[in-house]
Amino acid sequence: GENVEQHPSTLSVQEGDSAVIKCTYSDSASNYFPWYKQELGKRPQLIIDIRSNVGEKKDQRIAVTLNKTAKHFSLHITETQPEDSAVYFCAASMWTSYDKVIFGPGTSLSVIP
Amino acid sequence: ETGVTQSPTHLIKTRGQQVTLRCSSQSGHNTVSWYQQALGQGPQFIFQYYREEENGRGNFPPRFSGLQFPNYSSELNVNALELDDSALYLCASSSDRATEAFFGQGTRLTVV
Repeated sequence: GENVEQHPSTLSVQEGDSAVIKCTYSDSASNYFPWYKQELGKRPQLIIDIRSNVGEKKDQRIAVTLNKTAKHFSLHITETQPEDSAVYFCAASMWTSYDKVIFGPGTSLSVIP
Repeated sequence: ETGVTQSPTHLIKTRGQQVTLRCSSQSGHNTVSWYQQALGQGPQFIFQYYREEENGRGNFPPRFSGLQFPNYSSELNVNALELDDSALYLCASSSDRATEAFFGQGTRLTVV
């Protein structure tokens, strides 16, 4: 089955710096890659996603890149702010009507003011 | 906030007991997935229901079972509870018209 690895497990950056989280997936059939942010005690919330027909997607300070050949994708957060502190999960699935989403183990991001 | 609601929010059970968790999906959504999130880990896929049928299952034993009702709400049942079943249980609803899944706030289950 699908397996998703994520690195690093923890990341500390100074406010204003950039943060990069990297993930790899095993199932070449996966074609949908969402990223979730989970603040302490709250539900995971989708922050950005990318489908396999594009290589990069950007939404304000957040961007995601996808390399299908290497089966890895990355989240980039620029100009980090303290409110970006949270656990970030990458995930992979097949973009069918109803397929399960496999999550990575998470990255705990701390933005130091 | 999403329209996905779960009940109860917190629950304490004794080892060996049975528990039922509930999830109301967002309006217009016909797919519900259940996840187990242990402390400090990512959500682990339990199973998914689409139009009242189980549609995919993760590596969980048969004592984890579920139902989906005609209004697309769903239940997760766990029999013979074990201490390791203590976790946050999340449901996520989605539509076959879109891939994005929306999570409920979760049920925190503690088995003592």
